[in-house]
Amino acid sequence: AQSVAQPEDQVNVAEGNPLTVKCTYSVSGNPYLFWYVQYPNRGLQFLLKYITGDNLVKGSYGFEAEFNKSQTSFHLKKPSALVSDSALYFCAVRDITYNTDKLIFGTGTRLQVFP
Amino acid sequence: GAGVSQSPSNKVTEKGKDVELRCDPISGHTALYWYRQSLGQGLEFLIYFQGNSAPDKSGLPSDRFSAERTGGSVSTLTIQRTQQEDSAVYLCASSPSAGTATTNYGYTFGSGTRLTVV
Repeated sequence: AQSVAQPEDQVNVAEGNPLTVKCTYSVSGNPYLFWYVQYPNRGLQFLLKYITGDNLVKGSYGFEAEFNKSQTSFHLKKPSALVSDSALYFCAVRDITYNTDKLIFGTGTRLQVFP
Repeated sequence: GAGVSQSPSNKVTEKGKDVELRCDPISGHTALYWYRQSLGQGLEFLIYFQGNSAPDKSGLPSDRFSAERTGGSVSTLTIQRTQQEDSAVYLCASSPSAGTATTNYGYTFGSGTRLTVV
């Protein structure tokens, strides 16, 4: 079965510093990988995806993610964190079989950016 | 509508009661998903509807949970004989089609229904 793991429950970073939120995946076949963000009292929002092509994917709000096949990772990154980036981040992988096509999400990582 | 609408936004119910949660997807979206968000559990897949195809119910945690989608639009998630462990935020998402969702921009999520079982 397809799955993703987010090993960190929380990541703390100072404003202006680079940030990384980790995600590893386990899939059969080619992975379709996603990052979503959930701001307080707001719904989940799509950030970026990797389907194929360039291993460095750029998304919304200055975020990017690097697909690494050898390490089965898809870490979310940003060169300079903002306090407003504080939110809950979810990594997800596509799970497709004969009767389903859905996203499987990780447990989430809470990012806290301190002024 | 402009977005995915869920109602109620909050629901407090007594243990043992039945509850119904409603999701109005974006007009024209054929794929609809229900997820559950519990503290420390991330987003747990519950059920997936795609057009007139048989739904993928593989994520429903017990036979107390059921969902239907009438006319290919509105969906209702029903939890019978609620238990305290059912307390969570129930999220609905839709997309133009499943293939489009997972290969293009992903899902559009509603704001969720926060269910508290006391």
